Amino acid sequence: EPEVTQTPSHQVTQMGQEVILRCVPISNHLYFYWYRQILGQKVEFLVSFYNNEISEKSEIFDDQFSVERPDGSNFTLKIRSTKLEDSAMYFCASRNREKNYGYTFGSGTRLTVV
Amino acid sequence: AQSVTQPDIHITVSEGASLELRCNYSYGATPYLFWYVQSPGQGLQLLLKYFSGDTLVQGIKGFEAEFKRSQSSFNLRKPSVHWSDAAEYFCAVGAGGTYKYIFGTGTRLKVLA
Repeated sequence: EPEVTQTPSHQVTQMGQEVILRCVPISNHLYFYWYRQILGQKVEFLVSFYNNEISEKSEIFDDQFSVERPDGSNFTLKIRSTKLEDSAMYFCASRNREKNYGYTFGSGTRLTVV
Repeated sequence: AQSVTQPDIHITVSEGASLELRCNYSYGATPYLFWYVQSPGQGLQLLLKYFSGDTLVQGIKGFEAEFKRSQSSFNLRKPSVHWSDAAEYFCAVGAGGTYKYIFGTGTRLKVLA
């Protein structure tokens, strides 16, 4: 079964540093998402991306965050200047053309900001 | 505003016992509803989903859920729990034109041998 691949699985970074989280969505999917889960809390929507532009973003997704699909396969989330409160599990997901919420989630990147 | 409530933060059941995890939602239109499971250190796996039609939906791993519009609920059930079912379970509603999810806070299931 096709998978969404996220790398790295765990990243530790110093406060104030830039970090890029990488995702390889399923190849024929067109809609891409980032969610995050702070430890012990619920999974929260960050951003959706379609046709090379952001289609929706949450309040969490401020100017410190950006997303990009630099080539035909990768989908990245960049945090420009990390804060302690950015420590969380970040999930990438992709969806196919059909509007049926056919999401596939990746296994996540655990980001620890120290 | 759209929201999902999972009233039980932790549930402990004995192996072989039945299970029901509660989920209530608030959504203006007909909801698209989902249950996901997250095993320790793993990603989110879809158990089942409801879009329309039969209000009792079957999922993977022997799980089922019943949509009750009058109660705004979508409770997850399993007749006999296995030790491998120990995990965190999230209820979610699909919201908006971009098909984002709104998740509940999750219920952590512990299974006693």
